[in-house]
Amino acid sequence: DTAVSQTPKYLVTQMGNDKSIKCEQNLGHDTMYWYKQDSKKFLKIMFSYNNKELIINETVPNRFSPKSPDKAHLNLHINSLELGDSAVYFCASRGLSQETQYFGPGTRLLVL
Amino acid sequence: KQEVTQIPAALSVPEGENLVLNCSFTDSAIYNLQWFRQDPGKGLTSLLLIQSSQREQTSGRLNASLDKSSGRSTLYIAASQPGDSATYLCAVVYNFNKFYFGSGTKLNVKP
Repeated sequence: DTAVSQTPKYLVTQMGNDKSIKCEQNLGHDTMYWYKQDSKKFLKIMFSYNNKELIINETVPNRFSPKSPDKAHLNLHINSLELGDSAVYFCASRGLSQETQYFGPGTRLLVL
Repeated sequence: KQEVTQIPAALSVPEGENLVLNCSFTDSAIYNLQWFRQDPGKGLTSLLLIQSSQREQTSGRLNASLDKSSGRSTLYIAASQPGDSATYLCAVVYNFNKFYFGSGTKLNVKP
């Protein structure tokens, strides 16, 4: 009965590779987010989609491209991975009338 | 640019103690403020939400206060238990949708 799920949980890859992280929510929420948590535990918003439309796009390298095939899914594709991309990536969702967000368990990305 | 600071970065207390975690923010035009808990290797779980017009919110042993004019919030945990050990994150929310997180306070409650 996982509300917000992410795959994979762990991802170890080489510099220069392209990888994708997937997120799915079964809460019927309209808005989904991607956050990056760095080694100092700062959680920073990257993107937000509302009903498949991009509504927040923070200053993120264009190597990062979110894709929302439907409002229950928000995937993150990363091209030409760099060492500095190593972090934990969290997906979250929020309902239209709700004021808090529900987080997935995170994807731990390590770029070697 | 909004900055959210949490003090202390880490805290270790014996079981049963009352404790206070602090959060400060630079832009007081907030929509609301939220406290989250993060367990190791897990996502965040919402604990308390305070609207910008409110001064405090309570849930069980947790009490969160908000002083918008001074840009401060506190999370008070009464009678701490080992199960309270986690990282506590403060999030300041603008325009309903934009969340700015602090770096968290890592709490360890010793049995």
